[in-house]
Amino acid sequence: AQKITQTQPGMFVQEKEAVTLDCTYDTSDQSYGLFWYKQPSSGEMIFLIYQGSYDEQNATEGRYSLNFQKARKSANLVISASQLGDSAMYFCAMSPSTGFQKLVFGTGTRLLVSP
Amino acid sequence: GAGVSQTPSNKVTEKGKYVELRCDPISGHTALYWYRQSLGQGPEFLIYFQGTGAADDSGLPNDRFFAVRPEGSVSTLKIQRTERGDSAVYLCASSLAFTPKGAVSADTQYFGPGTRLTVL
Repeated sequence: AQKITQTQPGMFVQEKEAVTLDCTYDTSDQSYGLFWYKQPSSGEMIFLIYQGSYDEQNATEGRYSLNFQKARKSANLVISASQLGDSAMYFCAMSPSTGFQKLVFGTGTRLLVSP
Repeated sequence: GAGVSQTPSNKVTEKGKYVELRCDPISGHTALYWYRQSLGQGPEFLIYFQGTGAADDSGLPNDRFFAVRPEGSVSTLKIQRTERGDSAVYLCASSLAFTPKGAVSADTQYFGPGTRLTVL
């Protein structure tokens, strides 16, 4: 069975600083995908970034980058130059392989960005 | 373009009643998923449709829960004899058809705003 662990229930960062949100995973699959989603107070899950298990380079999407360390089974999200609008819940998730498969989510990290 | 939409946004019902929750996926997306998110938790998978058929319903908690997608687009999640423990946010997501390796962005599931179900 797959499992996602997010050990930081809450994180604080000042505006314009970088922040790292931790995610570790457990799977016996050789092929899998890792995702990060943002959930603001409005409730909608917003896709941020994707990393495939066979991708050799870390994924980047604008201010978001994924620090993928396969041997350690970690997929940390790095947000550079934090903005007030980044305040939200952040969920790490994985799917067993590329293609349409159910996502397994962690419990999330609440990020608060202060002025 | 339009995203995933869900109706109603909020539903309050009494214990024992029947409810239907609707999901309109992104146009052209053949895969559709239902998840349930309890307070303070991440979403938990319920059921996945590929086209009209339920390819994986292993997440449905019991036989009170049922979902359909008769024309391969709109889906309805049906809950019979609701219980207080069914109270949660029900999220729907859709994604494109499977794409071979090299276009993995097609794996991405796009979520709707959810339906908050409260069972009194």
